[in-house]
Amino acid sequence: ETGVTQTPRHLVMGMTNKKSLKCEQHLGHNAMYWYKQSAKKPLELMFVYSLEERVENNSVPSRFSPECPNSSHLFLHLHTLQPEDSALYLCASSQGGNYGYTFGSGTRLTVV
Amino acid sequence: GENVEQHPSTLSVQEGDSAVIKCTYSDSASNYFPWYKQELGKRPQLIIDIRSNVGEKKDQRIAVTLNKTAKHFSLHITETQPEDSAVYFCAERGSQGNLIFGKGTKLSVKP
Repeated sequence: ETGVTQTPRHLVMGMTNKKSLKCEQHLGHNAMYWYKQSAKKPLELMFVYSLEERVENNSVPSRFSPECPNSSHLFLHLHTLQPEDSALYLCASSQGGNYGYTFGSGTRLTVV
Repeated sequence: GENVEQHPSTLSVQEGDSAVIKCTYSDSASNYFPWYKQELGKRPQLIIDIRSNVGEKKDQRIAVTLNKTAKHFSLHITETQPEDSAVYFCAERGSQGNLIFGKGTKLSVKP
């Protein structure tokens, strides 16, 4: 494991369901991110949290709702998704500044 | 807006040959440029990075060069091996502190 853990690894949900993705890091990082990866847009930034405050949401539809209760945990709450939301959702963390990200293994989401 | 262009989108080389992937960026204030490797079904992993105070950095068979004047940077892989086959992403650190990624290059190394 990399120090960034995502659950579940796979998720199939109907368009009327509500589900949540979870991300956990124990690297002491102070920034956490959600990225969407699909064939059309390989690594698309969704949300950024720095020191537990959201700093960017990048015009993401409101059916995606992030939550960062503390510096080690990040959630992505999903509600009334569309089939085009099917993708790999990657969580990442960093120390900020000029340091790279550590990615989790992702959640493969399929909306039916 | 901030943007990173990456070329080529696909690259096929023979084992033992070199591979070069190029990226250009738009924000002249950017000062951090990492490269990630993503194998099929796995997470992206940082393989090398460069900061704007240097022009080149090398780690065994991998090297990255940076030309701040032209606003482009490149990944060089020498003596390629089949296990180098993956998708490679370049990135720059944007003004908000987050990484802005290129669209990726699928590298295939044929034995």
